Amino acid sequence: AQSVTQLGSHVSVSEGALVLLRCNYSSSVPPYLFWYVQYPNQGLQLLLKYTSAATLVKGINGFEAEFKKSETSFHLTKPSAHMSDAAEYFCAVSEGSGGYNKLIFGAGTRLAVHP
Amino acid sequence: DGGITQSPKYLFRKEGQNVTLSCEQNLNHDAMYWYRQDPGQGLRLIYYSQIVNDFQKGDIAEGYSVSREKKESFPLTVTSAQKNPTAFYLCASSRVGGREQFFGPGTRLTVL
Repeated sequence: AQSVTQLGSHVSVSEGALVLLRCNYSSSVPPYLFWYVQYPNQGLQLLLKYTSAATLVKGINGFEAEFKKSETSFHLTKPSAHMSDAAEYFCAVSEGSGGYNKLIFGAGTRLAVHP
Repeated sequence: DGGITQSPKYLFRKEGQNVTLSCEQNLNHDAMYWYRQDPGQGLRLIYYSQIVNDFQKGDIAEGYSVSREKKESFPLTVTSAQKNPTAFYLCASSRVGGREQFFGPGTRLTVL
């Protein structure tokens, strides 16, 4: 079975600093990987997804993630944090090869941005 | 605009009562899902449905029930058998065979 590990349940950065949220996955097949963002008391919004087309994936709100097969990682970065980036971020891997594809989520990383 | 709606946003229930959470989508997706979210645990799959009149248990189905009478609707009932029902519940949908899931805004259930 596939799994996802997010290192660091809480990350705090200063406004304007680099954001780095870590995600490692385990998968026996080429993975489909996702990053979702959740603002307080809201649903999940897709930030970006890796579907094997390119190893560096650009998403919304200035975020990007790099797929590294050798490290089984899919870390999320943003060069300069903004106060509005404060939210919880979830990494997920898609499992399945037929009509039904299950999403396996990491435990999430809560990002705080301070002035 | 296409999307997923969940109602109500907040729900309070007394112990021993069943309660039904609504989920409706107009994305024309065949597959629908229910997740439970607890702090520090990510999302856990309760039930999913790939087609009308068919659904399967997820990882934590005990104490929950669902129905899928219409393509657009996938209501979740939290029964009195669920030992710890207080949580945030998220509904999602996807195309059959699709990898990406689209989420509703969630319902926060509190048992008093």
